[in-house]
Amino acid sequence: QVELQESGPGLVKPSQTLSLTCTVSGASMRIGSHYWSWIRQAAGKSLEWIGRIYTTGSTTYNPSLTSRVSLSVDTSKNQFSLRLTSATATDTAVYYCARGGGWPHWAFDLWGRGTLVTVSS
Amino acid sequence: EIVLTQSPGTLSLSPGERATLSCRASQSANTNLAWYQQRPGQAPRLLIYEASKRATGIPARFSGSGSGTDFTLTISSLEPEDFAVYYCQETINWITFGPGTKVDIK
Repeated sequence: QVELQESGPGLVKPSQTLSLTCTVSGASMRIGSHYWSWIRQAAGKSLEWIGRIYTTGSTTYNPSLTSRVSLSVDTSKNQFSLRLTSATATDTAVYYCARGGGWPHWAFDLWGRGTLVTVSS
Repeated sequence: EIVLTQSPGTLSLSPGERATLSCRASQSANTNLAWYQQRPGQAPRLLIYEASKRATGIPARFSGSGSGTDFTLTISSLEPEDFAVYYCQETINWITFGPGTKVDIK
């Protein structure tokens, strides 16, 4: 079955760049016309969609984060990545990668387990 | 941007009871709405997409209904594993999630 796994530093200093990678296993990312997304959740809060990428490299970002976020994809490694610049304490959250978020599969049907990223000096 | 409101904030029920959760959108979402369940310490799990379609492997006790601005998730008879937080998500505009409804044990 298809599985997603997030990886990256759990601690980032303020003003630095938060970088995470999601590895997709069990199937090629290029099969099935899926978008691939990042979603985050601060402690005790709801979910916030960060952005999505297609295997062609086409991206769409949440307007509230667009100036600081970039997504990339490496289909040869079956991975996609998140970079969030100028991190602040408000970026502290559990970060999830997920499949979905674009036509025709708008709902997120597969999720990674999530990784906690803390922004602190 | 569509704003989603979920009610109630907390629903206290006993196993075997029926749960009715509401999600209201600030403007029409047609049927572009999904529901997720999140248990403590776990990632969200897709339950319902396109307002009323059950995701793969989701038990029949979960059902979704509605269109436009008013949507409902119904759990016909609560099992112990159903006590969790439930989120709705719209997909017609930018992707946004509601604040969640916690279903806890009475």
